Amino acid sequence: AQSVTQLDSHVSVSEGTPVLLRCNYSSSYSPSLFWYVQHPNKGLQLLLKYTSAATLVKGINGFEAEFKKSETSFHLTKPSAHMSDAAEYFCVVTLMDTGRRALTFGSGTRLQVQP
Amino acid sequence: NAGVTQTPKFQVLKTGQSMTLQCAQDMNHEYMSWYRQDPGMGLRLIHYSVGAGITDQGEVPNGYNVSRSTTEDFPLRLLSAAPSQTSVYFCASSYSSGTGGRTEAFFGQGTRLTVV
Repeated sequence: AQSVTQLDSHVSVSEGTPVLLRCNYSSSYSPSLFWYVQHPNKGLQLLLKYTSAATLVKGINGFEAEFKKSETSFHLTKPSAHMSDAAEYFCVVTLMDTGRRALTFGSGTRLQVQP
Repeated sequence: NAGVTQTPKFQVLKTGQSMTLQCAQDMNHEYMSWYRQDPGMGLRLIHYSVGAGITDQGEVPNGYNVSRSTTEDFPLRLLSAAPSQTSVYFCASSYSSGTGGRTEAFFGQGTRLTVV
């Protein structure tokens, strides 16, 4: 079975400081991993994805994530937070085989950015 | 290119009523899924489909039915609405990558359902 754990339900940072949102996964197969962002009352937007190419993945809006197989982690980072980054972030895993499973979502991390 | 379109955007139902949430995609994706989003629980999979005529249950299927008669459409039916089904519902589609895995999902804008 596959699962995703987002280690923090809330993260608060000051504008201009680094952001770290933590995600650990478990999967019996080689995973595809994604980070999505959801602004209030909006749909979900893809930030970045890992699909077994480079382990350091760059996404939109200055975000990046590193796939670490030995630690089964896929943490999301950004060097300098902006007020517009305040949103909920979801780590998502799916399998690299052709099985019928759909995406498995973490429970989400709400990012607050203080001025 | 419309992507994934969900209707309606908002709906209020009385307990016991039935309704259908519509989802259509114009990207020729074979995979389609329905999720519900509740506070603190992320998105949970209700039902999914890997192609026309093929559907399967997800994590929380009770009280919902689906069918997939065409590649484009994947409606979600609430058989007898209950207050516990008050939630935001998202439809998503995706396709197989060249390596046999799955690509990222493309989401609709959501349907906010309240059951009173």
